[in-house]
Amino acid sequence: QKEVEQNSGPLSVPEGAIASLNCTYSDRGSQSFFWYRQYSGKSPELIMSIYSNGDKEDGRFTAQLNKASQYVSLLIRDSQPSDSATYLCAVNVGSSNTGKLIFGQGTTLQVKP
Amino acid sequence: DAGITQSPRHKVTETGTPVTLRCHQTENHRYMYWYRQDPGHGLRLIHYSYGVKDTDKGEVSDGYSVSRSKTEDFLLTLESATSSQTSVYFCAISDPGTALGGYTFGSGTRLTVV
Repeated sequence: QKEVEQNSGPLSVPEGAIASLNCTYSDRGSQSFFWYRQYSGKSPELIMSIYSNGDKEDGRFTAQLNKASQYVSLLIRDSQPSDSATYLCAVNVGSSNTGKLIFGQGTTLQVKP
Repeated sequence: DAGITQSPRHKVTETGTPVTLRCHQTENHRYMYWYRQDPGHGLRLIHYSYGVKDTDKGEVSDGYSVSRSKTEDFLLTLESATSSQTSVYFCAISDPGTALGGYTFGSGTRLTVV
């Protein structure tokens, strides 16, 4: 069964620090990788997508992908209390072009002022 | 959020009754999805659609059916609600022209089956 694994946390970091969120996946055929942020009681929102090995930066966020190790990570620099949320890693289902995703259970991030 | 709405936002229903949840989009996206979110399980795909009248099952489709008669509407029906279907249901849309799998989610429907 295809799986996406995340440490549920909570991950607690002080304001201004770097938060590092990690995700592993089981399906070697996966080609598309996403990070969603979900505030308590709200719907998930897309914050990063990555398709190639290496790093992708967008503002304070950096996504990292290593397909050989089947590993995706999200770094949040200069963490703010407003970053406190659950971060969901999602991976497309194999070679499917239907956009179906498998989600991890999410990592809860707490940024302490 | 703009472009995708779900209704109702909250519903309480009795075991054994049919329930229909609606997802409406104004983005003209081809792909639409229904997920449920439960503690300890994360988001799981129920059904998805890749066009009008084109639908397929996800990993937790038992007890659910869907219909898509128009591009903008995707309906999820619980044929005979059970307590195990108490959950938060999210609809999502995706545009293959940009990032297939890069979803925009609706606000969710909190369903309680008593």
